[in-house]
Amino acid sequence: EVQLVQSGAEVKKPGESLRISCKGSGYSFISYWINWVRQMPGKGLEWMGRIDPSDSYTNYSPSFQGHVTISSDKSISTAYLQWSSLEASDTAIYYCAKQSGSYVDRLDIWGQGTMVTVSS
Amino acid sequence: DIQMTQSPSTLSASVGDRVTITCRASQSISSWLAWYQQKPGKAPKLLIYKASTLESGVPLRFSGSGSGTEFTLTISSLQPDDFATYYCQQYNSYVYTFGQGTKLEIK
Repeated sequence: EVQLVQSGAEVKKPGESLRISCKGSGYSFISYWINWVRQMPGKGLEWMGRIDPSDSYTNYSPSFQGHVTISSDKSISTAYLQWSSLEASDTAIYYCAKQSGSYVDRLDIWGQGTMVTVSS
Repeated sequence: DIQMTQSPSTLSASVGDRVTITCRASQSISSWLAWYQQKPGKAPKLLIYKASTLESGVPLRFSGSGSGTEFTLTISSLQPDDFATYYCQQYNSYVYTFGQGTKLEIK
């Protein structure tokens, strides 16, 4: 079964750093881009960026460029989303999603989401 | 970035109804459009891609159409399991964008 399993919920204070993870299984991890999508409380979906796990090449939405970093470790089939200094406005659910085969394509498999709460 | 606008934002309907959700792109995206369904507390699920291709396992009551800048998602006969929020997403360029969502409620 193709699946993405994300790390558990996090509670952090403003200014702290954080890295959440997304582990792929059941398919060739290096063959498909992994995307990250934010959903703030009660709001819609926002595409943040993506990574090609074969070479760690990344693309970012202008809205998130410079605020988050996407990385991956192909040896353990895991992608990461990290912040160096969290803000209260980073409180949200973060989903990773596997992209289907092409350079630009649909998001066919989603992780279960990681809830991040940033509060003093 | 390409902006995606869905309408309506909320739709009230009954079991058995036929419903249509519209998604408009700020510029042509050919047929590079996907539709997702999201239920409360769950991850989004892919329903349709390339504007009209049904993802494997998705019921045939779901259909998509359109190209260029205007697209529709139609559910031919609403079932209780269909009450959820629906999002369109363009993948014409790698800066992907989603519509703001349409919440389908029980009337």
